[in-house]
Amino acid sequence: GQNIDQPTEMTATEGAIVQINCTYQTSGFNGLFWYQQHAGEAPTFLSYNVLDGLEEKGRFSSFLSRSKGYSYLLLKELQMKDSASYLCAVDRNDYKLSFGAGTTVTVRA
Amino acid sequence: DTAVSQTPKYLVTQMGNDKSIKCEQNLGHDTMYWYKQDSKKFLKIMFSYNNKELIINETVPNRFSPKSPDKAHLNLHINSLELGDSAVYFCASSQGGVEEQYFGPGTRLTVT
Repeated sequence: GQNIDQPTEMTATEGAIVQINCTYQTSGFNGLFWYQQHAGEAPTFLSYNVLDGLEEKGRFSSFLSRSKGYSYLLLKELQMKDSASYLCAVDRNDYKLSFGAGTTVTVRA
Repeated sequence: DTAVSQTPKYLVTQMGNDKSIKCEQNLGHDTMYWYKQDSKKFLKIMFSYNNKELIINETVPNRFSPKSPDKAHLNLHINSLELGDSAVYFCASSQGGVEEQYFGPGTRLTVT
């Protein structure tokens, strides 16, 4: 089976930093995606990591360790609009994408 | 100029009925997908088509039948709807298999 684990909920204050962890055990691994999903909306792409290390994209960064089966998404300078679910998804190859259950981040003023 | 569109956005129907959801993408992508997101927010792949050919068919009841008339369209037909089919169904597309996927707005299906 495919195991992708991430915390269910996280709460942080506006302007703070939050780190969302994702651990995975899957049959096949090409890379790892992070998607953002606001309530009632479609998921939108944030990042894709193939190689180990940190990739930074504005206020958002994503890290991958293939040997540890571990990734995290780092959100800096949190804004109210960052309140959303963040989905970790493993690209298993052959077009298959397995999603975690998502982490709901609530940003408080 | 919506990239991935789905119709309808909401669908309320009774058990036993047959319904269809349509999806279209104008991104020129080769691959299209259907996902089901249940009440616990798990997003699970159901089907994938590449250039009109079925390439992924996960463990889905055969009451669900996808059809791709051309590479810009992927429709989902559901026969004999059951209560457990209530969920949000997302269509998505990508250029190849390892590119980011673009999701449609979702169809919220409620079976009563």
